[in-house]
Amino acid sequence: QQQVKQSPQSLIVQKGGIPIINCAYENTAFDYFPWYQQFPGKGPALLIAIRPDVSEKKEGRFTISFNKSAKQFSLHIMDSQPGDSATYFCAAITNAGGTSYGKLTFGQGTILTVHP
Amino acid sequence: ETGVTQTPRHLVMGMTNKKSLKCEQHLGHNAMYWYKQSAKKPLELMFVYNFKEQTENNSVPSRFSPECPNSSHLFLHLHTLQPEDSALYLCASSHWGFGEFFGPGTRLTVL
Repeated sequence: QQQVKQSPQSLIVQKGGIPIINCAYENTAFDYFPWYQQFPGKGPALLIAIRPDVSEKKEGRFTISFNKSAKQFSLHIMDSQPGDSATYFCAAITNAGGTSYGKLTFGQGTILTVHP
Repeated sequence: ETGVTQTPRHLVMGMTNKKSLKCEQHLGHNAMYWYKQSAKKPLELMFVYNFKEQTENNSVPSRFSPECPNSSHLFLHLHTLQPEDSALYLCASSHWGFGEFFGPGTRLTVL
């Protein structure tokens, strides 16, 4: 029940395309959903995050769509660039802000390649 | 220096060596974490410290020994490791559970 399932495992798009990465969860106690971007040899970087009471959040070219009833959320990257090529992880946290620390449950990761 | 820093960035050690990884966060966060990232595996949470007290130990073998002297510093002491322990070790910190900020990691190779 603690799992977060992420798909696809890998994704290839052309520059300017809109890659979409999907995640699904079972645990309804999750209340905060961050996305991370990781380049080779670097630690994951927090990209964008959403609360389940919001259906969509945009930050620059990155958009999270959230469907609470379906327990699914997705990351869209508008006008993708070769520099967006990285591994993307979705994650979920229970009781964010409530216990003074959170514990992330990560998806398996998606390797995105954006061709010039 | 800002964010979460880790030293060393690369470490090669023999199975009989003892070494330590160091993490420092400059963000004023209350919680610090150690993760292990192996090739083709999800990120594995190892330990969590909250206000320098250990709150989570995710069934980590005793050859990994964490230490958190204060809320800004975290160590991972390593001894008698196995080749399968070779991985990227990531430190992270968070503020009241609103997402974790990761350091660049230490690439560990055990010979």
